[in-house]
Amino acid sequence: DTAVSQTPKYLVTQMGNDKSIKCEQNLGHDTMYWYKQDSKKFLKIMFSYNNKELIINETVPNRFSPKSPDKAHLNLHINSLELGDSAVYFCASSRDYRETQYFGPGTRLLVL
Amino acid sequence: SQQGEEDPQALSIQEGENATMNCSYKTSINNLQWYRQNSGRGLVHLILIRSNEREKHSGRLRVTLDTSKKSSSLLITASRAADTASYFCAASPNNNDMRFGAGTRLTVKP
Repeated sequence: DTAVSQTPKYLVTQMGNDKSIKCEQNLGHDTMYWYKQDSKKFLKIMFSYNNKELIINETVPNRFSPKSPDKAHLNLHINSLELGDSAVYFCASSRDYRETQYFGPGTRLLVL
Repeated sequence: SQQGEEDPQALSIQEGENATMNCSYKTSINNLQWYRQNSGRGLVHLILIRSNEREKHSGRLRVTLDTSKKSSSLLITASRAADTASYFCAASPNNNDMRFGAGTRLTVKP
């Protein structure tokens, strides 16, 4: 069974569209994260949720909004997509914020 | 700000050689973790070393931690072509703010 899953795996869309990426973990973890990895492979944290509550909210545009319907899910909604949003987005989870993180396979977003 | 910064950015070695990657961080930490990323994949956890530990082994991996210098190193012994990947360190401070660096891209030539 996949521990941390993301859908979709690939997402190609036009500028200005709104899209969502879903993440689910079946590890019973309390903390979930969203990361953005750019073309230079730099991995940057975007959001962190602990028990459905927002803990970290880095300086990402307001167009990005995380939603955690329950402890096992952390979805990422992006409004008005821009070219610079093209990247690989990774979801991760951990028992708590200091412990080992388990990553999903990534969602490759390409904005045209 | 980045809590973990790897050095070198890229490393190319022959199979059988040892590979050493370094990581520096800025603030006091609870633990430091090393991850591996194969091309096109998510990160996979390799090893976690706590702030009160100085060295840790896992198979061919050896991690050291020097809290006085705020640095860590990852040594892969007897490297194999399958070790080719990017390696990231992530320093976990005492607050809820674990950060990754840009990684070291290791290439092991057969």
